[in-house]
Amino acid sequence: EAGVAQSPRYKIIEKRQSVAFWCNPISGHATLYWYQQILGQGPKLLIQFQNNGVVDDSQLPKDRFSAERLKGVDSTLKIQPAKLEDSAVYLCASRDTHKADTQYFGPGTRLTVL
Amino acid sequence: EDQVTQSPEALRLQEGESSSLNCSYTVSGLRGLFWYRQDPGKGPEFLFTLYSAGEEKEKERLKATLTKKESFLHITAPKPEDSATYLCAASANAGGTSYGKLTFGQGTILTVHP
Repeated sequence: EAGVAQSPRYKIIEKRQSVAFWCNPISGHATLYWYQQILGQGPKLLIQFQNNGVVDDSQLPKDRFSAERLKGVDSTLKIQPAKLEDSAVYLCASRDTHKADTQYFGPGTRLTVL
Repeated sequence: EDQVTQSPEALRLQEGESSSLNCSYTVSGLRGLFWYRQDPGKGPEFLFTLYSAGEEKEKERLKATLTKKESFLHITAPKPEDSATYLCAASANAGGTSYGKLTFGQGTILTVHP
């Protein structure tokens, strides 16, 4: 079974530029999560989707971050404009809502904002 | 607010020297306590889920245990390949929008020397 796929793996941008990350969850997983992991810290939830609807975006900085999950499969996370403090690894995870509580993570995208 | 704290922040062991990692949690109604392993440049890899106090789970040299306030990850006779960051996360039994949300600790960096 293929795991969670993410791209790109690395991205370097200047502050105030925009950037987008893509995630393809495990086939059949209805729940999808985006996390931000700053160096030396644990992942922090940004947004949770159930199919193509947002379940929890309480910790998403909505003035600059946006996310969508069209057709309930792939998802895109966008930052516009980026700030220096957005430098982090952005992790996507998915879960089979009907079977288990376990979230499976992708390899992440490392973002550096200069 | 849900909180998860891990100790120590870093642990250096000699090969074969057994030890334990601690995870303290404050969650309104624990649904599950999760342990993940994270290697440099990779996403977290699922290890265990514990649901109730007294529960134990084992995998190779790792054993996870759970009490009402803490979880421990015991490492018996570790090998250099066990070197990684170990993350602990808790999910709450809150219904609706908080379901499935993981609150992570900051991780313990384990280094096992040959």
